[in-house]
Amino acid sequence: ETGVTQTPRHLVMGMTNKKSLKCEQHLGHNAMYWYKQSAKKPLELMFVYSLEERVENNSVPSRFSPECPNSSHLFLHLHTLQPEDSALYLCASSQEKQSSGANVLTFGAGSRLTVL
Amino acid sequence: AQKITQTQPGMFVQEKEAVTLDCTYDTSDPSYGLFWYKQPSSGEMIFLIYQGSYDQQNATEGRYSLNFQKARKSANLVISASQLGDSAMYFCAMRESGTGNQFYFGTGTSLTVIP
Repeated sequence: ETGVTQTPRHLVMGMTNKKSLKCEQHLGHNAMYWYKQSAKKPLELMFVYSLEERVENNSVPSRFSPECPNSSHLFLHLHTLQPEDSALYLCASSQEKQSSGANVLTFGAGSRLTVL
Repeated sequence: AQKITQTQPGMFVQEKEAVTLDCTYDTSDPSYGLFWYKQPSSGEMIFLIYQGSYDQQNATEGRYSLNFQKARKSANLVISASQLGDSAMYFCAMRESGTGNQFYFGTGTSLTVIP
């Protein structure tokens, strides 16, 4: 496996379900991200983990709960979601360098979530 | 104010022709990076090209080049010799050195290459 792998690729869940999205990176990067992509809107940054520590949480509802057990794995736990949470959830990783803007994000293929 | 603006929701180009996708940005940070990503229908965001704010020359990567006009705060992507496989969404993004891990993305431009 190379790059950033996301599972599942598609998920349909009811509003009362609990599910998790998984992301794994094989690039040796030290930062991982969750983004939400909705139609006709810019990508929304949800969470950032750098060196396994959460460094960014952009006012995301508590029904989304991230977990980063190590530098290669990132989870997004989903609980009592709403239909408006239906979107493509993209995981990304990067190698953070000090004071550099050139830290390219490498994305996974995304998990398409539909909340009924 | 939006950090990244892409004003072209959709573009069409004839195969083998060149096309320019527009991107303007807004920042007061003197140190920043500009990125272009391609997103095919499969969903994965693919990195294409990077331009640093202090770079003197426009970035090029194969058929991709970035027309960087710093004073105008624009970073247009030029794709030369378009191919059918170039049909996808294209996103411009910026990262400011002073804002940690925050990348700002535009709303994207849908490019369709016509045979």
